[in-house]
Amino acid sequence: QVQLVESGGGLVKPGGSLRLSCAASGFTFSDYYMSWFRQAPGKGLEWVSYISSSGPTIYYADSVKGRFTISRDNAKKSLYLQMNSLRAEDTAVYYCARWHYDSRGFAGIDYWGQGTLVTVSS
Amino acid sequence: SYELTQPPSVSVSPGQTASITCSGDKLGHKYVCWYQQKPGQSPVLVIYQDNKRPSGIPERYSGSNSGNTATLTISGTQAMDEADYHCQAWDTTTVVFGGGTKLTVL
Repeated sequence: QVQLVESGGGLVKPGGSLRLSCAASGFTFSDYYMSWFRQAPGKGLEWVSYISSSGPTIYYADSVKGRFTISRDNAKKSLYLQMNSLRAEDTAVYYCARWHYDSRGFAGIDYWGQGTLVTVSS
Repeated sequence: SYELTQPPSVSVSPGQTASITCSGDKLGHKYVCWYQQKPGQSPVLVIYQDNKRPSGIPERYSGSNSGNTATLTISGTQAMDEADYHCQAWDTTTVVFGGGTKLTVL
């Protein structure tokens, strides 16, 4: 069965850095676009970034552009998010997720990890 | 930047039909997905490409999208449907979510 397991969250001071990892299993990781999303406490979902199946296509939300870097290692079936210059407003649960697509194109996010909490506070 | 607007809350009686809207400029020209999220859990895809149900999602969930509004409809709403619902669309290369709607079944 498909599993996405995030790790690397924790408490970090403003201006600090953190690297999130997502270990994938149960599917051919290299076939899928992957994304990071986040959800601040009591708030809605926010897209952070996505990366194409082999990595050349990458996009970021304006709120994290220039500070966050998404990457993947298809051999290790892993997705990463390097977060630098962290701010209080980056505090959220971060989810790793897989994009489903069919003949019409993108067909939603069909699998999500359980999330990892990142808290930015002094 | 593109914005999607959802009502913060919707209430429905058990067995009745719940409708949750998602509004955006020319939204009918884009594909819309809907996600259900229960407290403390990760989101679950319930509708994709406006009106398609993933396997395992009950038939009482349906979707439509026209003009500036997409609608998630839950027929014969059950207590287990109480959750937050998030709409999502693409704006060229970016992913956009609505603010989420809390569905209360009472």
